[in-house]
Amino acid sequence: EVHLVESGGGLVQPGGSLRLSCAASGFTFSTYWMHWVRQSPGKGLVWVSRINSDGSTLYADFVKGRFTISRDNAKNTLNLQMDSLRAEDTAVYYCAKGASYHGMDVWGQGTTVTVSS
Amino acid sequence: EIVLTQSPGTLSLSPGERATLSCRASQSVSTSYLAWYQQKPGQAPRLLIYHASSRATGIPDRFSGSGSGTDFTLTISRLEPEDFAVYYCQQYGSSAMYTFGQGTNLEIK
Repeated sequence: EVHLVESGGGLVQPGGSLRLSCAASGFTFSTYWMHWVRQSPGKGLVWVSRINSDGSTLYADFVKGRFTISRDNAKNTLNLQMDSLRAEDTAVYYCAKGASYHGMDVWGQGTTVTVSS
Repeated sequence: EIVLTQSPGTLSLSPGERATLSCRASQSVSTSYLAWYQQKPGQAPRLLIYHASSRATGIPDRFSGSGSGTDFTLTISRLEPEDFAVYYCQQYGSSAMYTFGQGTNLEIK
């Protein structure tokens, strides 16, 4: 069974950093694109970043230059390094497995990031 | 950037009724890259429909998707109690960006 488990969320002060991880199992992780999607409290889904199977990356404009997506295929792990955090980055962050039709066919349960002083 | 606008914002129906949810794009979207998701409170989203009209694995056939160009529809033929949730459409566009609609809250009347 395909499974994604996020970790690393927590409370951080504005301007601080946090590193999220997503442990993948049940599929050949290295061959799939992977995404991060976030959801602010009471709001809708917003795509954050994607990493291709070859390691190339894509970011939403609002995180470009602050967030870095990476993957460790040996450990079947997806990461999101978040720097220069702002209050508006407060959200549940989901990792999701990419599908060939540019959708997301499996999602993790999410990890909560709170940026506050 | 393509903007997806979902309507209505909230839809109040009873079990057994038919639900029709709309997703309108600001520019033409390839049907290959239009998907629908369901999200229940406290849970992660779940893929329902991809390619605008193909059901994902394990999705009941009461869920169907249709549309092309800028207008897409998710239809639930006969609502079951477990179908009351928030539904999002999502597209991937020529600018290589992914966008979601703002969601439709399907609530029990």
